Amino acid sequence: AQSVTQPDIHITVSEGASLELRCNYSYGATPYLFWYVQSPGQGLQLLLKYFSGDTLVQGIKGFEAEFKRSQSSFNLRKPSVHWSDAAEYFCAVGDRGNTPLVFGKGTRLSVIA
Amino acid sequence: NAGVMQNPRHLVRRRGQEARLRCSPMKGHSHVYWYRQLPEEGLKFMVYLQKENIIDESGMPKERFSAEFPKEGPSILRIQQVVRGDSAAYFCASSPPGGLKTGELFFGEGSRLTVL
Repeated sequence: AQSVTQPDIHITVSEGASLELRCNYSYGATPYLFWYVQSPGQGLQLLLKYFSGDTLVQGIKGFEAEFKRSQSSFNLRKPSVHWSDAAEYFCAVGDRGNTPLVFGKGTRLSVIA
Repeated sequence: NAGVMQNPRHLVRRRGQEARLRCSPMKGHSHVYWYRQLPEEGLKFMVYLQKENIIDESGMPKERFSAEFPKEGPSILRIQQVVRGDSAAYFCASSPPGGLKTGELFFGEGSRLTVL
C-alpha cells in the first residue's frame, strides 16, 4: 500500500531564509508525486507535481522539488521564504491509474521576521 | 472558470442529526473524490465517484456514511446520526475524465462540520 511520511510536523524559518520540507514515500513502482499547500481555512492548491523525466521540478511561487528514487524522497525547497508562505504543506503520492492520492500528515510552516 | 464548489462551508449539527455536504466539480470534470481532514491527521481518503457510480469507497466508514454523484447535480456526502467524532473538515476534489492520469486533483475550500 502506498504511504507518505512527512517527518516534520512544524517548522519555523526566518523570512528570507531557505526552506526544505521533507517527504518520503512508499510505493512499489514509479509514483506520481505532488506537493499541495493549504492556507488556514482554505482548500488545497497544487504547488508542483512529478510524473516522469527531469527529477527536479519547478512549481508556482518559487518552489521546487527533487525526486530521488534511491531515497524514496520528494523534498520541497525554496531558496528564500516570504511571510506569505506560512501555511500547511502536504506531500501526496498517486499511481498511473485512478487510485486516489494518498497524503502525508502535513508540515506546518511558520515564518518569522 | 468556477473551481470546485462546496457547500455549506460551515455546518453545525447536534448529535443524532444528519449532515449533507455538497460538491460541484469543476466544469468538464467527471471524477469526484471526498477526503476528511482531522487536526494533525492530514487528509484521509473516503470515497471516489464517477457519475452514477461509486468506484472506490474503501475509506468510507461502513455505517452512517454514504455518497452519491448523480447524473445531474452535485455529489453529496451524507452522514446520518452524527457523533462528535464526525467533526472535521470535509474536502471534495475533482479531476478531468482521464482521472489522475492527467495529473492532479482540484480541491474545493471544504465544508467544516461541527457536531455539538
